Amino acid sequence: KAGVTQTPRYLIKTRGQQVTLSCSPISGHRSVSWYQQTPGQGLQFLFEYFSETQRNKGNFPGRFSGRQFSNSRSEMNVSTLELGDSALYLCASSLVASGPPVDNEQFFGPGTRLTVL
Amino acid sequence: AQSVTQPDIHITVSEGASLELRCNYSYGATPYLFWYVQSPGQGLQLLLKYFSGDTLVQGIKGFEAEFKRSQSSFNLRKPSVHWSDAAEYFCAVGANSGGYQKVTFGTGTKLQVIP
Repeated sequence: KAGVTQTPRYLIKTRGQQVTLSCSPISGHRSVSWYQQTPGQGLQFLFEYFSETQRNKGNFPGRFSGRQFSNSRSEMNVSTLELGDSALYLCASSLVASGPPVDNEQFFGPGTRLTVL
Repeated sequence: AQSVTQPDIHITVSEGASLELRCNYSYGATPYLFWYVQSPGQGLQLLLKYFSGDTLVQGIKGFEAEFKRSQSSFNLRKPSVHWSDAAEYFCAVGANSGGYQKVTFGTGTKLQVIP
């Protein structure tokens, strides 16, 4: 079974631009979560999508948005890029069974390294 | 809300020595606990997880972790470290929130292995 894939792997943008990152989850996984990883802040949760709906959201400004398609693929968009947005953006997918407790092991992709100049 | 603390930012051990990485969590109920490893330029890989049952959990690559409720800890151990274990290790806690699980990660511990 193929793992989580993220495209592109590397991206260089300038301040003020916008960027779209893509994540394809493991086949059959319906939940996709996005994280921002920086040396100073560690892994910070951005948002989670399940069945095309955002279920949970971290404490990031509205410049960060996402969506999920009917095939569970997800995109993350960052508008008006700032220098501080330079980070590794990780996507994770999980197979979410119905009803708690859930075995919500997350499988991570290799990430997209975004550099904002 | 749940939280995770990894008190050691960097740890250096000699190859062949034993290893223990510390993790403390805060959560009111029984948590779901995870340890992930991240090699340079890679995503995170799950080493092991604890949901319930036996408090000593075996994982991949020879790692194990012990859940101690009284200490709110979930420390990761390995009896003999290999150079290939050099990486960053993340402890994470998952908790049910509104019918789904929210996962919170610690800030990570970087492991350096010296010959």
